[in-house]
Amino acid sequence: AQTVTQSQPEMSVQEAETVTLSCTYDTSESDYYLFWYKQPPSRQMILVIRQEAYKQQNATENRFSVNFQKAAKSFSLKISDSQLGDAAMYFCAYKRSTSGSRLTFGEGTQLTVNP
Amino acid sequence: AAGVIQSPRHLIKEKRETATLKCYPIPRHDTVYWYQQGPGQDPQFLISFYEKMQSDKGSIPDRFSAQQFSDYHSELNMSSLELGDSALYFCASSPVGGAVYNEQFFGPGTRLTVL
Repeated sequence: AQTVTQSQPEMSVQEAETVTLSCTYDTSESDYYLFWYKQPPSRQMILVIRQEAYKQQNATENRFSVNFQKAAKSFSLKISDSQLGDAAMYFCAYKRSTSGSRLTFGEGTQLTVNP
Repeated sequence: AAGVIQSPRHLIKEKRETATLKCYPIPRHDTVYWYQQGPGQDPQFLISFYEKMQSDKGSIPDRFSAQQFSDYHSELNMSSLELGDSALYFCASSPVGGAVYNEQFFGPGTRLTVL
């Protein structure tokens, strides 16, 4: 079974600074997808960024980028120019490439942004 | 853009009662997923349906059942409710193909409280 681990229960960053959230996963498969979801106090699950395992290039979405190290099974999220609205719980998630297969989430990292 | 619709948004039940949660996926999405998120926890996968057939099954209690209908909406039926069933229940949907077929789009959730 696949597992996802986020070793940082809490992180904090100053507004306008950069922060990196860590995620590692375990799988025996070669084709899969990785995601970062954001869950603000409203509890809505919001997709931040995704990475296809077959792509070597790291995904970027505006101020959000990932460092995907397939051999090390590591998938970290970097948030640049942090904003107050970035404060939320961040979940790393793994999905097999099969249609209809589940997301397996890590335990989450609570990010605080200090003004 | 249309989003996933879940109803009701809030539900209060007594122990041993029955609850039915409904999910209406984004138009042209044929896959539906159900997740349960307890307080302070990451979302846990329950079950998914692809083209009205069960496609993946997680740690869903035998007291729970679900199905997907011909119009692709899905219902999660929960019987003999227990205090531990109090949680936020998410439905997510994904499309049959295209660039985002492996992404799951989450609804706002149904908050179930069992007294």
